[in-house]
Amino acid sequence: DAMVIQNPRYQVTQFGKPVTLSCSQTLNHNVMYWYQQKSSQAPKLLFHYYDKDFNNEADTPDNFQSRRPNTSFCFLDIRSPGLGDAAMYLCATSREPPGQGVGETQYFGPGTRLLVL
Amino acid sequence: QKEVEQNSGPLSVPEGAIASLNCTYSDRVSQSFFWYRQYSGKSPELIMSIYSNGDKEDGRFTAQLNKASQYVSLLIRDSQPSDSATYLCAVIPIRGNFNKFYFGSGTKLNVKP
Repeated sequence: DAMVIQNPRYQVTQFGKPVTLSCSQTLNHNVMYWYQQKSSQAPKLLFHYYDKDFNNEADTPDNFQSRRPNTSFCFLDIRSPGLGDAAMYLCATSREPPGQGVGETQYFGPGTRLLVL
Repeated sequence: QKEVEQNSGPLSVPEGAIASLNCTYSDRVSQSFFWYRQYSGKSPELIMSIYSNGDKEDGRFTAQLNKASQYVSLLIRDSQPSDSATYLCAVIPIRGNFNKFYFGSGTKLNVKP
C-alpha cells in the first residue's frame, strides 16, 4: 500500500544533542511537509517542499533545518534540541500544493514523538 | 483572531447518538475544508473534505459547509466508542502563492457505551 513512513517512531535525545527525523513516501507526491504538534494544540507547520523548492515558515526557529534529497525522502534536523522542542513531529504529503483542488489533500505519516532529557 | 476555531470539548455523547462537531474560520477567501480524526498519541487521518456549500455524506459521516456564515461542521451518526478521538478541522484560505493548511486545535469527542 502507498503510504507515508516516519522513522523512528520514538526518539529520545539529550538537551543540545543533534537529532534527525526521517520521512519517506511511496505516494509519489510532489509536496512534503513537516509539522510540530504539542499536546492539545493544532499542528504547526515548520517547512514544506514543493518538489525541490523549499519553503520555511517565518516563525520556524533557526534550530530546525530540513533536507529533501529526492522525491521520496525528507529529513528534519534539530541542531540543538531544547526542552521546548519535545513534541510529536508529523510528516505529511500532498500531490499538489494547497489551493490546487483535490490534489491538495494532505496525508500524514504516523509521527515521531521526540523526548528531550 | 485565530484562523480556525473549535470548541476543545470534551463533547460526550452516548453510543448510538449523533455527535455534532463545529468549526468556524475567519478568512472569507477559504475554499477548501477538511476534517481529520486523531486518536490519542497517533497522527491525524483524513475523514473527508468539502468544497461546496451544503452537505456531503460518507458513510456515518456528514460534513456541512456554510460559507456565508463561515462555519463547517461534522455530524457522526450512530456514534461508536471507537469514534472517541480528537477531531481537527482544517481550512485553506486562498492567498496567492502562499497557501497553506490552517488547523484548529481540535474537539475531543467521548462516546460512552
